[in-house]
Amino acid sequence: QQQVKQSPQSLIVQKGGISIINCAYENTAFDYFPWYQQFPGKGPALLIAIRPDVSEKKEGRFTISFNKSAKQFSLHIMDSQPGDSATYFCAASGGTYKYIFGTGTRLKVLA
Amino acid sequence: ETGVTQTPRHLVMGMTNKKSLKCEQHLGHNAMYWYKQSAKKPLELMFVYNFKEQTENNSVPSRFSPECPNSSHLFLHLHTLQPEDSALYLCASSQEFVSFDTQYFGPGTRLTVL
Repeated sequence: QQQVKQSPQSLIVQKGGISIINCAYENTAFDYFPWYQQFPGKGPALLIAIRPDVSEKKEGRFTISFNKSAKQFSLHIMDSQPGDSATYFCAASGGTYKYIFGTGTRLKVLA
Repeated sequence: ETGVTQTPRHLVMGMTNKKSLKCEQHLGHNAMYWYKQSAKKPLELMFVYNFKEQTENNSVPSRFSPECPNSSHLFLHLHTLQPEDSALYLCASSQEFVSFDTQYFGPGTRLTVL
């Protein structure tokens, strides 16, 4: 129940395309769902986050879609750019659980 | 300096050595964390300190010993490690120890145990 399952493990997208990364959780106590972006040699940094009272949140080219009934959420990167090439982690937090992370998705955007 | 800093950035040690990792945050936060990052595995939360008090220890082996002398500094003391302990060790901080608080990560220490 503590796990957050993330897919795919790796993703290759053409420049200008849409990158989609999915996560699923089991624990209904989770009430905060952030996405972190990590570049090589750097620590993860918060990209965007959502609470379960909304189904979608958009910040620039990055959008989180949240499906509470399915216990799934996803990150969409519109107009993907080579500078978006990084590893993306979803996470879930809430109740007694603080920040359960997914396994990460390595995104490569081809120029 | 700003943000969260970690030293050293790289560390190679034998199984019988004793070494320490250092983390410093310049954000005025009250909570600090140690994570272990291994390839193809989720980030593993190891320890949490809130207002200098250890609040979580996620079944971490005793060969890892944390120390938090004040809200700005966090150490991870290492002794008699195993090769499987080789990983990236990340320090993070947040304003409070609550589920929806943004965590700010340092760049990590890449540890190799021979």
